[in-house]
Amino acid sequence: DGGITQSPKYLFRKEGQNVTLSCEQNLNHDAMYWYRQDPGQGLRLIYYSQIVNDFQKGDIAEGYSVSREKKESFPLTVTSAQKNPTAFYLCASSPLPRDHEQFFGPGTRLTVL
Amino acid sequence: GQQVMQIPQYQHVQEGEDFTTYCNSSTTLSNIQWYKQRPGGHPVFLIQLVKSGEVKKQKRLTFQFGEAKKNSSLHITATQTTDVGTYFCAAYSGGYQKVTFGIGTKLQVIP
Repeated sequence: DGGITQSPKYLFRKEGQNVTLSCEQNLNHDAMYWYRQDPGQGLRLIYYSQIVNDFQKGDIAEGYSVSREKKESFPLTVTSAQKNPTAFYLCASSPLPRDHEQFFGPGTRLTVL
Repeated sequence: GQQVMQIPQYQHVQEGEDFTTYCNSSTTLSNIQWYKQRPGGHPVFLIQLVKSGEVKKQKRLTFQFGEAKKNSSLHITATQTTDVGTYFCAAYSGGYQKVTFGIGTKLQVIP
């Protein structure tokens, strides 16, 4: 089966801890994205990557970090510097150029206590 | 920077009624995509519009791209309970380098 997987589905962390969200795709897509979804705010782009070892900040990158060491993997770290980390995080991928449709993973709901 | 307004934010309709959501940009777009997110799910691609004035249909869904490529709409004819979900537009500009999602329109269909 081809697709995008995100794990875990639900994640709880204590305030002040860094946490890494996993995103893996076997669609052979070059581009990968991380979005944050909050009620009433739609999807906001955190980071995106178009090629291995390269990534760009999106609209709300502060408090987050990413890496792209492999084409199929794009993990997101939510650092303690992120002031409001509780949210639903969605990973997506697409072929290049970037105006192709995006394929989304099932999402990770992060709750910081 | 690019701003994308999507209205309405919520819509309740009786089953069988029509539904429309609108997406308006402050800048000219390269193209626009529409996605549907079922409750508890993730966004799923519906369609992409590229040409000025383009109209595309998928069964009961009609998608339009404005002549000036600054606005778009999604119209559902005779809604069904399976149409429940949140509909998002994704607006591309700057040579496809910039994508901005609308806030989404949450559709509830009353049986």
